[in-house]
Amino acid sequence: GNSVTQMEGPVTLSEEAFLTINCTYTATGYPSLFWYVQYPGEGLQLLLKATKADDKGSNKGFEATYRKETTSFHLEKGSVQVSDSAVYFCALSEGRYGGSQGNLIFGKGTKLSVKP
Amino acid sequence: GAGVSQSPSNKVTEKGKDVELRCDPISGHTALYWYRQSLGQGLEFLIYFQGNSAPDKSGLPSDRFSAERTGGSVSTLTIQRTQQEDSAVYLCASSLMGGGAGDTQYFGPGTRLTVL
Repeated sequence: GNSVTQMEGPVTLSEEAFLTINCTYTATGYPSLFWYVQYPGEGLQLLLKATKADDKGSNKGFEATYRKETTSFHLEKGSVQVSDSAVYFCALSEGRYGGSQGNLIFGKGTKLSVKP
Repeated sequence: GAGVSQSPSNKVTEKGKDVELRCDPISGHTALYWYRQSLGQGLEFLIYFQGNSAPDKSGLPSDRFSAERTGGSVSTLTIQRTQQEDSAVYLCASSLMGGGAGDTQYFGPGTRLTVL
């Protein structure tokens, strides 16, 4: 079945450090890939997404590229801030052609703490 | 505009009691999803609605769980004879179209259910 694997946390970085959170997936069809973020005390928010191979999603300085050959969607940011401290979830969804109805399949989440 | 809202935000109940959780999706969104977030299992899909019908109930963990949606809008998730393993945060999400792989889902703040 479909699944998402992301690096275990927690990850602790100093402000302005480079961030990478690895995410790989297994899917039967042609999924869309997402990164969601959960800030402390808040709900899940979409951070970025990519709907086909080689697409790059970007938002708030974060980027991720849909790599079909390596089945990966790693999240990167060049210079993290304290305000980026949150839990980050990688997710995929497949539509009807993939035998699904668009529901999201999530990784376990990676907690990021950025210290000043 | 208004986002997805859920009520109650917190619910504490005794084992064996029934509970109802409510979700108000974004106006005009035809698709509605329920998920569960727990420490042990991460984020799990429960059920998907397209309009008032539920073409995918594959994630409901047992027959104690049911859900309905009326008027293509509000949805209620009901858990009968609650068990301690039902303790989790129940999340609702809505999207404009649903069923497709790339549709963005918008999440509510969740209902934290604690079964004593």
